[in-house]
Amino acid sequence: AQTVTQSQPEMSVQEAETVTLSCTYDTSENNYYLFWYKQPPSRQMILVIRQEAYKQQNATENRFSVNFQKAAKSFSLKISDSQLGDTAMYFCAFMPEGAQKLVFGQGTRLTINP
Amino acid sequence: NAGVMQNPRHLVRRRGQEARLRCSPMKGHSHVYWYRQLPEEGLKFMVYLQKENIIDESGMPKERFSAEFPKEGPSILRIQQVVRGDSAAYFCASSPRPMNTEAFFGQGTRLTVV
Repeated sequence: AQTVTQSQPEMSVQEAETVTLSCTYDTSENNYYLFWYKQPPSRQMILVIRQEAYKQQNATENRFSVNFQKAAKSFSLKISDSQLGDTAMYFCAFMPEGAQKLVFGQGTRLTINP
Repeated sequence: NAGVMQNPRHLVRRRGQEARLRCSPMKGHSHVYWYRQLPEEGLKFMVYLQKENIIDESGMPKERFSAEFPKEGPSILRIQQVVRGDSAAYFCASSPRPMNTEAFFGQGTRLTVV
């Protein structure tokens, strides 16, 4: 069974700092997708960034980037120049290619302090 | 193009009552997925439906839970004889094709059983 582990239940940084959220996963699949979702207090699930496992280049979206280490089954999210609006729960998720469901980690509660 | 619409946003039911949660997918999306989020946990897959068909219900509890996605109208997640343990946030996602990487989530329905 595939599992996703987020080892940091909570993190807190000052505005403008850089923060890295960790995620590891366990799978025997070779082709899959990885995602980071943001869930602010409104509860809306917002896709932050996604990575295809067959792509070696790390995905980036503005201030958000990932460090994808396939051999180590690690998929961390780096948020640069953090902003107050980044305060939210962040969930790492995994989906095998061709599958129809996401497997989520337990989440990391990130607080950006002014 | 409106996003995925879920209603109600909040639903309170007494133990033993029925809960009906609705999900209207984005226009042009014929694939719907339901997830459940227990307090302080990540989302867990429940069921995947296409129009008039249940494709994968491997995450659905065996009793009291059912889902449908009729030819016309929204997808419905139905919970009969609710118990306290059913209290959770229920999320719906939709995609234009079988879940690849283009699924969009609704804002969820928070069910409270008293």
